[in-house]
Amino acid sequence: KAGVTQTPRYLIKTRGQQVTLSCSPISGHRSVSWYQQTPGQGLQFLFEYFSETQRNKGNFPGRFSGRQFSNSRSEMNVSTLELGDSALYLCASRTSSNYGYTFGSGTRLTVV
Amino acid sequence: GESVGLHLPTLSVQEGDNSIINCAYSNSASDYFIWYKQESGKGPQFIIDIRSNMDKRQGQRVTVLLNKTVKHLSLQIAATQPGDSAVYFCAETRNSGNTPLVFGKGTRLSVIA
Repeated sequence: KAGVTQTPRYLIKTRGQQVTLSCSPISGHRSVSWYQQTPGQGLQFLFEYFSETQRNKGNFPGRFSGRQFSNSRSEMNVSTLELGDSALYLCASRTSSNYGYTFGSGTRLTVV
Repeated sequence: GESVGLHLPTLSVQEGDNSIINCAYSNSASDYFIWYKQESGKGPQFIIDIRSNMDKRQGQRVTVLLNKTVKHLSLQIAATQPGDSAVYFCAETRNSGNTPLVFGKGTRLSVIA
Protein backbone atom coordinates (compact mmCIF):
# COMPACT_ATOMS: atom_id res chain seq x y z
CA LYS A 1 0.00 0.00 0.00
CA ALA A 2 1.06 3.59 -0.53
CA GLY A 3 3.18 5.23 2.14
CA VAL A 4 2.85 8.62 3.75
CA THR A 5 2.80 11.31 1.08
CA GLN A 6 3.90 14.86 1.73
CA THR A 7 3.55 17.76 -0.67
CA PRO A 8 5.28 19.78 -1.81
CA ARG A 9 8.78 18.32 -1.48
CA TYR A 10 10.48 21.70 -1.59
CA LEU A 11 9.35 25.24 -0.86
CA ILE A 12 11.06 28.60 -0.82
CA LYS A 13 9.25 31.41 0.96
CA THR A 14 10.04 34.95 2.01
CA ARG A 15 10.06 36.17 5.60
CA GLY A 16 6.61 37.28 6.69
CA GLN A 17 4.75 35.00 4.30
CA GLN A 18 2.69 32.05 5.35
CA VAL A 19 2.88 28.45 4.12
CA THR A 20 0.68 25.37 4.12
CA LEU A 21 2.09 21.86 3.96
CA SER A 22 0.06 18.76 3.21
CA CYS A 23 0.24 15.17 4.40
CA SER A 24 -1.70 12.13 3.23
CA PRO A 25 -1.36 9.25 5.71
CA ILE A 26 -1.30 5.56 4.99
CA SER A 27 -4.80 4.32 4.24
CA GLY A 28 -6.48 3.32 7.48
CA HIS A 29 -4.16 5.34 9.69
CA ARG A 30 -6.14 7.82 11.76
CA SER A 31 -3.29 9.50 13.61
CA VAL A 32 -1.03 12.06 11.97
CA SER A 33 1.91 13.72 13.68
CA TRP A 34 4.13 16.55 12.49
CA TYR A 35 7.79 17.06 13.30
CA GLN A 36 10.30 19.79 12.52
CA GLN A 37 13.84 18.66 11.79
CA THR A 38 16.81 21.03 11.89
CA PRO A 39 20.55 20.33 12.18
CA GLY A 40 20.72 22.12 15.51
CA GLN A 41 17.60 20.82 17.26
CA GLY A 42 17.04 17.44 15.65
CA LEU A 43 13.49 16.12 15.40
CA GLN A 44 11.07 18.25 17.39
CA PHE A 45 7.42 17.30 17.86
CA LEU A 46 4.92 19.87 16.58
CA PHE A 47 1.48 18.30 17.05
CA GLU A 48 -0.58 15.16 16.61
CA TYR A 49 -4.08 14.83 15.22
CA PHE A 50 -6.43 11.92 15.67
CA SER A 51 -9.92 11.82 14.19
CA GLU A 52 -9.78 15.53 13.33
CA THR A 53 -8.86 16.52 16.90
CA GLN A 54 -5.50 17.78 18.10
CA ARG A 55 -4.39 15.23 20.67
CA ASN A 56 -0.95 16.57 21.56
CA LYS A 57 0.97 19.76 20.97
CA GLY A 58 4.67 20.46 21.19
CA ASN A 59 6.41 23.58 22.38
CA PHE A 60 6.10 25.77 19.30
CA PRO A 61 4.63 29.28 18.98
CA GLY A 62 1.08 29.85 17.86
CA ARG A 63 2.31 30.67 14.35
CA PHE A 64 2.41 26.91 13.85
CA SER A 65 -1.00 25.35 13.44
CA GLY A 66 -2.54 22.31 11.88
CA ARG A 67 -5.72 20.50 11.12
CA GLN A 68 -6.97 17.12 10.05
CA PHE A 69 -9.77 16.34 7.68
CA SER A 70 -12.38 13.60 7.84
CA ASN A 71 -10.32 11.47 5.41
CA SER A 72 -7.36 11.72 7.86
CA ARG A 73 -5.34 13.96 5.54
CA SER A 74 -3.62 16.71 7.45
CA GLU A 75 -2.24 20.15 6.80
CA MET A 76 0.05 22.32 8.81
CA ASN A 77 0.34 26.07 8.46
CA VAL A 78 3.08 28.42 9.48
CA SER A 79 2.23 32.11 9.47
CA THR A 80 4.58 35.10 9.50
CA LEU A 81 7.56 33.00 8.48
CA GLU A 82 10.93 33.61 10.10
CA LEU A 83 14.37 32.60 8.88
CA GLY A 84 14.55 30.09 11.74
CA ASP A 85 11.56 28.22 10.37
CA SER A 86 13.75 26.84 7.62
CA ALA A 87 13.68 23.10 8.22
CA LEU A 88 12.58 19.72 7.02
CA TYR A 89 8.96 19.19 8.08
CA LEU A 90 8.05 15.55 8.52
CA CYS A 91 4.67 13.95 8.79
CA ALA A 92 4.10 10.52 10.32
CA SER A 93 1.00 8.38 10.52
CA ARG A 94 -0.07 5.36 12.58
CA THR A 95 -3.21 3.44 13.42
CA SER A 96 -4.93 4.17 16.69
CA SER A 97 -3.36 1.17 18.38
CA ASN A 98 -0.09 0.66 16.53
CA TYR A 99 2.69 2.69 18.02
CA GLY A 100 5.04 2.34 15.07
CA TYR A 101 4.95 5.62 13.20
CA THR A 102 5.58 5.64 9.46
CA PHE A 103 7.17 8.79 8.14
CA GLY A 104 6.90 10.57 4.84
CA SER A 105 9.90 12.00 3.00
CA GLY A 106 9.22 15.48 4.29
CA THR A 107 8.85 18.98 2.93
CA ARG A 108 12.02 21.04 2.81
CA LEU A 109 11.08 24.65 3.63
CA THR A 110 13.58 27.41 3.05
CA VAL A 111 12.77 30.91 4.28
CA VAL A 112 14.77 33.72 2.69
CA GLY B 1 21.73 15.50 -0.24
CA GLU B 2 19.96 17.18 2.64
CA SER B 3 21.86 17.38 5.88
CA VAL B 4 20.01 16.00 8.87
CA GLY B 5 22.64 16.89 11.41
CA LEU B 6 25.86 18.85 11.07
CA HIS B 7 27.20 18.06 14.53
CA LEU B 8 26.06 14.53 15.19
CA PRO B 9 28.32 11.96 16.83
CA THR B 10 29.75 9.76 14.12
CA LEU B 11 30.55 6.08 14.18
CA SER B 12 32.85 4.79 11.46
CA VAL B 13 33.03 1.04 10.89
CA GLN B 14 34.62 -1.22 8.34
CA GLU B 15 32.32 -3.06 5.98
CA GLY B 16 31.58 -6.47 7.40
CA ASP B 17 32.19 -5.49 11.01
CA ASN B 18 29.44 -5.21 13.60
CA SER B 19 28.15 -1.78 14.60
CA ILE B 20 26.82 -0.72 17.98
CA ILE B 21 24.91 2.54 18.29
CA ASN B 22 23.99 3.74 21.75
CA CYS B 23 21.22 5.93 23.03
CA ALA B 24 20.36 7.30 26.46
CA TYR B 25 16.65 7.98 26.78
CA SER B 26 15.26 10.65 29.00
CA ASN B 27 11.94 9.58 30.52
CA SER B 28 11.86 6.73 33.03
CA ALA B 29 8.11 6.41 32.33
CA SER B 30 8.74 5.56 28.66
CA ASP B 31 7.89 1.98 27.87
CA TYR B 32 8.05 1.74 24.10
CA PHE B 33 11.17 2.42 22.05
CA ILE B 34 11.90 2.55 18.35
CA TRP B 35 15.05 2.79 16.27
CA TYR B 36 14.84 4.71 13.01
CA LYS B 37 17.27 5.02 10.11
CA GLN B 38 17.35 8.19 8.06
CA GLU B 39 19.14 8.43 4.74
CA SER B 40 19.88 11.68 3.02
CA GLY B 41 16.77 13.18 1.44
CA LYS B 42 14.40 10.73 3.09
CA GLY B 43 12.22 10.55 6.15
CA PRO B 44 13.07 8.29 9.10
CA GLN B 45 12.54 4.62 8.35
CA PHE B 46 11.43 2.17 11.05
CA ILE B 47 14.07 -0.46 11.86
CA ILE B 48 13.02 -2.22 15.04
CA ASP B 49 11.06 -1.58 18.20
CA ILE B 50 11.02 -2.94 21.75
CA ARG B 51 8.67 -2.70 24.69
CA SER B 52 9.79 -2.29 28.26
CA ASN B 53 8.80 -5.82 29.23
CA MET B 54 11.68 -7.07 27.08
CA ASP B 55 15.41 -6.47 27.28
CA LYS B 56 16.36 -7.78 23.85
CA ARG B 57 14.73 -8.10 20.47
CA GLN B 58 16.20 -9.35 17.23
CA GLY B 59 15.38 -8.60 13.64
CA GLN B 60 17.15 -9.23 10.39
CA ARG B 61 20.80 -8.31 11.06
CA VAL B 62 19.71 -5.95 13.85
CA THR B 63 19.33 -6.39 17.60
CA VAL B 64 18.03 -3.88 20.09
CA LEU B 65 19.00 -4.07 23.76
CA LEU B 66 17.17 -2.22 26.49
CA ASN B 67 18.55 -1.50 29.95
CA LYS B 68 15.84 0.21 31.96
CA THR B 69 18.00 0.52 35.05
CA VAL B 70 20.28 3.02 33.38
CA LYS B 71 17.80 4.18 30.71
CA HIS B 72 19.95 2.95 27.85
CA LEU B 73 19.19 1.53 24.45
CA SER B 74 21.56 0.09 21.91
CA LEU B 75 21.21 -0.97 18.30
CA GLN B 76 23.53 -3.64 17.02
CA ILE B 77 23.95 -4.13 13.29
CA ALA B 78 25.65 -7.32 12.21
CA ALA B 79 27.93 -7.48 9.17
CA THR B 80 27.56 -3.78 8.42
CA GLN B 81 27.11 -2.93 4.76
CA PRO B 82 27.62 0.31 2.80
CA GLY B 83 23.84 0.63 2.55
CA ASP B 84 23.69 0.93 6.33
CA SER B 85 25.37 4.35 6.15
CA ALA B 86 22.79 6.78 7.52
CA VAL B 87 21.76 8.67 10.63
CA TYR B 88 20.19 6.50 13.32
CA PHE B 89 17.72 7.82 15.88
CA CYS B 90 16.27 6.24 18.95
CA ALA B 91 12.78 7.35 19.96
CA GLU B 92 10.71 6.79 23.09
CA THR B 93 7.09 7.08 24.13
CA ARG B 94 4.62 5.79 26.69
CA ASN B 95 2.35 2.85 26.22
CA SER B 96 -0.77 4.93 26.59
CA GLY B 97 -0.49 5.59 22.87
CA ASN B 98 -1.50 9.17 23.38
CA THR B 99 1.92 10.58 24.06
CA PRO B 100 4.17 11.79 21.26
CA LEU B 101 7.29 10.04 20.08
CA VAL B 102 10.37 11.82 21.44
CA PHE B 103 13.56 11.49 19.43
CA GLY B 104 17.17 11.40 20.50
CA LYS B 105 19.78 13.52 18.73
CA GLY B 106 20.95 10.79 16.37
CA THR B 107 24.21 9.10 15.43
CA ARG B 108 25.74 9.13 11.99
CA LEU B 109 26.99 5.72 10.87
CA SER B 110 29.66 5.77 8.19
CA VAL B 111 30.62 2.46 6.62
CA ILE B 112 34.10 2.22 5.17
CA ALA B 113 34.32 -0.10 2.19
